[in-house]
Amino acid sequence: EAGVAQSPRYKIIEKRQSVAFWCNPISGHATLYWYQQILGQGPKLLIQFQNNGVVDDSQLPKDRFSAERLKGVDSTLKIQPAKLEDSAVYLCASSPDRGTVNSPLHFGNGTRLTVT
Amino acid sequence: GEDVEQSLFLSVREGDSSVINCTYTDSSSTYLYWYKQEPGAGLQLLTYIFSNMDMKQDQRLTVLLNKKDKHLSLRIADTQTGDSAIYFCAESPVTGGGNKLTFGTGTQLKVEL
Repeated sequence: EAGVAQSPRYKIIEKRQSVAFWCNPISGHATLYWYQQILGQGPKLLIQFQNNGVVDDSQLPKDRFSAERLKGVDSTLKIQPAKLEDSAVYLCASSPDRGTVNSPLHFGNGTRLTVT
Repeated sequence: GEDVEQSLFLSVREGDSSVINCTYTDSSSTYLYWYKQEPGAGLQLLTYIFSNMDMKQDQRLTVLLNKKDKHLSLRIADTQTGDSAIYFCAESPVTGGGNKLTFGTGTQLKVEL
């Protein structure tokens, strides 16, 4: 089965610019997650979708971050405007349902964002 | 909130056993996971344990849980150079939110010849 696809792999922008990341989950996976992984830290959940609805966005900085999952398949994560502290790897993951030990998360390879 | 802590680095010789440690703060019912992250890649689930278990073995991997001390360890037997990676401990509550994982900071394992 094809894995979780993310693009671009790398992105360098200046602060105050906008950026968008794209994720295509594994076919049939209902749940999609965006994680932020700052260098030297573990991933932190930003937002969780169940189909095209938001389950948890409590840690998403909503003044500058937005995400959508139209039609319950692909998802985009946007940052506008970017700050230096947004430099991180943005990981997308998917699971068949809301995620249990029997349906663990499958992660993409991430998009590495550098804000200068 | 939940907190998960790990040591940052571990260096072992090829063929030796590696033991990566983790402590967590969440209370009774929780799932605990070990993930592996190779350079430039996403996270790969290695194994998991429920907090009412003491031990789980899966081929070269052994997970030990000391529930009283909230201490989790991952032992890799006969460590190989391909095991060099960052290992993340994560915990998730059983109820509510599904796979709402809280990750540790990761332990970088370096395997030397």
